[in-house]
Amino acid sequence: GAVVSQHPSWVICKSGTSVKIECRSLDFQATTMFWYRQFPKQSLMLMATSNEGSKATYEQGVEKDKFLINHASLTLSTLTVTSAHPEDSSFYICSATGRDNYEQYFGPGTRLTVT
Amino acid sequence: AQRVTQPEKLLSVFKGAPVELKCNYSYSGSPELFWYVQYSRQRLQLLLRHISRESIKGFTADLNKGETSFHLKKPFAQEEDSAMYYCALSGTGRRALTFGSGTRLQVQP
Repeated sequence: GAVVSQHPSWVICKSGTSVKIECRSLDFQATTMFWYRQFPKQSLMLMATSNEGSKATYEQGVEKDKFLINHASLTLSTLTVTSAHPEDSSFYICSATGRDNYEQYFGPGTRLTVT
Repeated sequence: AQRVTQPEKLLSVFKGAPVELKCNYSYSGSPELFWYVQYSRQRLQLLLRHISRESIKGFTADLNKGETSFHLKKPFAQEEDSAMYYCALSGTGRRALTFGSGTRLQVQP
């Protein structure tokens, strides 16, 4: 089956710094990737949708200048949390769909802790 | 706006008992509904979608447009069914998913 990886799986950073999270589709071409955020004991909230080669579409309330998304290739999307603050601490999950496949394949998630 | 509601945070049943995880939605158009499952320490994975009308691991779900529901059912629960279950919706022409808050299913021996 289709596999999506995320790196790193866990990251701690200091307030004010930026951190980049990678999402890769390992065995298929991901035309669309999605970034979700999950707070403890809560559901996944869609942050943005990115199509390869074009700008990401952000959901209402998500600051695009704070959460920079790049989808430069068919196998890689990155989420950069800029000037991180403790309230950005969360579990970030990406998913991807291929050109002909409607199913979303999820990555294992990245736990971000901002101190 | 689209919304998915899973009223139960936790559902605990004994092995062999029937299971029904409730899901209600609100959406003005024709949605596509999904159930995703997350086993302990594993990633989210698709369990079933209403369009395919399949039965996966003994689970079924029927879309009831009149009641705007998509409840997940299994006649005889197994211990390995213990997991977190999320109901999700995608709107017309969109692949992005709106998730419910999830229901943790505990199947006791």
